[in-house]
Parts: sequence; C-alpha cells; structure tokens
Amino acid sequence: NAGVTQTPKFQVLKTGQSMTLQCAQDMNHNSMYWYRQDPGMGLRLIYYSASEGTTDKGEVPNGYNVSRLNKREFSLRLESAAPSQTSVYFCASSTGGNQPQHFGDGTRLSIL
Amino acid sequence: QKEVEQNSGPLSVPEGAIASLNCTYSDRGSQSFFWYRQYSGKSPELIMSIYSNGDKEDGRFTAQLNKASQYVSLLIRDSQPSDSATYLCAVSDSGAGSYQLTFGKGTKLSVIP
Repeated sequence: NAGVTQTPKFQVLKTGQSMTLQCAQDMNHNSMYWYRQDPGMGLRLIYYSASEGTTDKGEVPNGYNVSRLNKREFSLRLESAAPSQTSVYFCASSTGGNQPQHFGDGTRLSIL
Repeated sequence: QKEVEQNSGPLSVPEGAIASLNCTYSDRGSQSFFWYRQYSGKSPELIMSIYSNGDKEDGRFTAQLNKASQYVSLLIRDSQPSDSATYLCAVSDSGAGSYQLTFGKGTKLSVIP
C-alpha cells in the first residue's frame, strides 16, 4: 500500500542547477500539494493542484514551477537552484475540499 | 494572513500521564481541524480529524474543538515514550472551494520513562 511516493529521497545540487522532484499517489485523490519544511518555519505551501488540470500558488511559490501530469502525478521543478531552497520537501494528497492530507516520506534537498 | 498558533514546547510529561497540546487559529470560518504527529526526520502522520464542536475520542487520543473560542486541543492519555514527537495542528482555510490547510509550527512532546 504505497500511498504517496516521492523521488528522490535525498539530493545535493550546486547553485544554478535545475532538478525536478517527483510525486505520485495511488489513492485516487483529486488534490495534491507541495510543501517545504524548514526549522522554525513549519510547513509552508509552495503550490497545489485542486484537481487534474489545475495548479495554484501557495505561500512561497517563487523559484518553483509545478506540473500536474495526470491525476496520479504532481512534479515540482527548481529551474535555477539557490542555497535558500535547501529544505525538506513534502508532497501530500487529499480527496479535496476540507479533507485531511496524506504525506509522502519527503525529499531532503541540499543546495551548495 | 491566516495563523495557527501552538506552543513550541518542549512539553515534558512522565510516562503514564496525560499530555495536553493546544492550538488557536485566526480564521473564524475554518471548518476542519487536524492533528498530525511527526517523528524526527519523518513525514507528518495524520492522527485525528475533528469537524464539529465537542470531543472526539480515538483510543488514547481525544481531540477537543471550540469554534467560538477558535481553539482546538489534543489530549494523549497514558502517555508512552513512543508518543515523543512533534505534534502539528492544521486548520482548513475557509471560503468556497478552498483546498488549503494552514499548519502550526508544532509542539514538541517528550514523554519521560
């Protein structure tokens, strides 16, 4: 029972490099989310997709882009990585509306 | 700016005691409230959902909601060392079609054997 699967689990980048974080869910959920979690800052929403074909900005979208590839998959792209984007990134999904979100295991990203 | 406030702790309780975790929120129209547990280095795990005023019990956990006071709490009875973790309060945003949750920064709980 996979739930929400994120790849990769760890990544080290150099400043200016680009990369895409992948997320897939097998719970037939409509809504998907990308968060970052930094010490002392809590979970902050980067982007979300309420349903297939739609995406919206969250609290901290600058420097990121997203793609809702299909109902299962929601990717997060860093076009030109900066040290300030060093963080733990979590993908989550829910049935939508005011329903709880279920999280993946996270990607630990370091940018040198 | 919608806010969810939690005491950062650490909250230390002896094994077997009741741990009480509190959360206040600013969005008066919020309808859904969640408690997540996060072990160090792990992802948040949903432990309780509550949608109406009053108490909701699930095993050793009880969530309490008071919308008039904009207050939600989590009680953990017979606390165990395995309950040591950070507990996140999450509150749904109000407004038609809102799909977002606002998370508090979490309360770190330490259960002392």
